[in-house]
Amino acid sequence: DAGVIQSPRHEVTEMGQEVTLRCKPISGHNSLFWYRQTMMRGLELLIYFNNNVPIDDSGMPEDRFSAKMPNASFSTLKIQPSEPRDSAVYFCASSLSTPDTGLTFGSGTRLTVV
Amino acid sequence: GENVEQHPSTLSVQEGDSAVIKCTYSDSASNYFPWYKQELGKRPQLIIDIRSNVGEKKDQRIAVTLNKTAKHFSLHITETQPEDSAVYFCAAILSGSARQLTFGSGTQLTVLP
Repeated sequence: DAGVIQSPRHEVTEMGQEVTLRCKPISGHNSLFWYRQTMMRGLELLIYFNNNVPIDDSGMPEDRFSAKMPNASFSTLKIQPSEPRDSAVYFCASSLSTPDTGLTFGSGTRLTVV
Repeated sequence: GENVEQHPSTLSVQEGDSAVIKCTYSDSASNYFPWYKQELGKRPQLIIDIRSNVGEKKDQRIAVTLNKTAKHFSLHITETQPEDSAVYFCAAILSGSARQLTFGSGTQLTVLP
C-alpha cells in the first residue's frame, strides 16, 4: 500500500485566494482525519470523518474552512479566502476504524499564504 | 479542559545514554496512549502504543510505561543513537475531544554524538 497520499506537497498562495488540499486514505481505512501543525499550537485536529460522514468538525477554525469526503478514497480541505495565519503544515491521516487502531499520517501539505 | 501535557519540551542526551519523556492526561477514562516520532520535515509516525490493561510495553530499545492511577505515561529510549533525534509526541483519547486523539506539545530530542 502506498500509504496516505496528500497533494500538493507545497502550496504558496496569495491572501484571499482559494486553496484546496487533497487526500487519499489507505484503502480499507474507514476513518479520515485532517490535522494542522504549527509551532505555536502543535498538532490540532480540524475534522474527522467516519465512513465518509463528518463526525466532528469542532476543530475547524472558522467558516473559511470546509472539508468534504465524497467517497471512501478521497477527501478535500478547502480554505476560502485564505489568510497569512493559515500558513501551516496540514496533515491527513487515516485509521481502520477508531483512532485506537492506529493513525497513519500522510506526508503533509506545507501551505504558505503571503 | 481535557488535555495532554508533555515534558520536557527539549531534551539533549549523549549517544548511548537513555532518554525519558513524560506525559500526563486529565481524562481517567482514557485507555489508549500512542507515541509518535516526527523527523524534521517528515510525517509523524507511530512508534509504540499502550492500552490501559497493561503497565509496560517494550519494543527493542523503546518502552512505554503507564500509571493509570497517577494518569501519566512515559516513553523510554535506551542506548540512544543519533538517528533517534526527532520530535516525539504523546497522545491520548480524551472524552472532551469526541473520543479522538489529542496530542501533547512535543519533545525535541537531540542525541549528541
